[in-house]
Amino acid sequence: EIVLTQSPGTLSLSPGERASFSCRASQSLGTSSLAWYQQKPGQAPRLLIYDASSRATGIPDRFSGSGSGTDFTLTITRLEPEDFAVYYCQQCGILPTFGQGTRVEIK
Amino acid sequence: QVQLQESGPGLVKPSETLSLTCTVSGGSISSDAYYWTWIRQHPGKGLEWIGYIYNSGSTYYNSSLNSRLSISRDTSANQFSLKLTSVTAADTAVYYCARGSIYCNRLTCYYYAMDVWGRGATVTVSS
Repeated sequence: EIVLTQSPGTLSLSPGERASFSCRASQSLGTSSLAWYQQKPGQAPRLLIYDASSRATGIPDRFSGSGSGTDFTLTITRLEPEDFAVYYCQQCGILPTFGQGTRVEIK
Repeated sequence: QVQLQESGPGLVKPSETLSLTCTVSGGSISSDAYYWTWIRQHPGKGLEWIGYIYNSGSTYYNSSLNSRLSISRDTSANQFSLKLTSVTAADTAVYYCARGSIYCNRLTCYYYAMDVWGRGATVTVSS
């Protein structure tokens, strides 16, 4: 099983600031895809990024993903009030796994 | 626009079987381009992949649930279902169904992100 470790666990920032957080895989994802999801309280996760760096339909361009192999990053260039949420990475292999999540909270 | 909706009992007794159905509207679960999956989230915790089914009827399950889990589909009703036997309080969670993209060639399949999710069904295991 591929284990995904997200860091930090919590990020305390103010609106307008830049957010960047990491997802590290226990082994190279190889041809497997990596995705990022946003989840707000009481809501289902929403796909933000697929294939490590492609934005899903309707996702603002302040969200960007990068990385390959074992190290991946999600960046939000300027935090909007609606961006305070929990973010999960997921490796999309035959047996998918999720990271434990990074919470972005208002400072 | 594809939509997914979970349905099923919100309360299940310990040792009984948890059964949930996901109804798909706006698209066909028979499509070769997608897999159909279940994910759960324990209270206050992260996301846990449960298993999925795709067009050929093939299924893959989380090994931690494999002995208790069954995922099936009803193409005539455009639904797929989850059955989890011998439940305990540890199975109390919000259960989501979702759609992911898949591409298969003769040798292998490639799995992609889950782009459409249901709103989730809260299931409590309690006597």
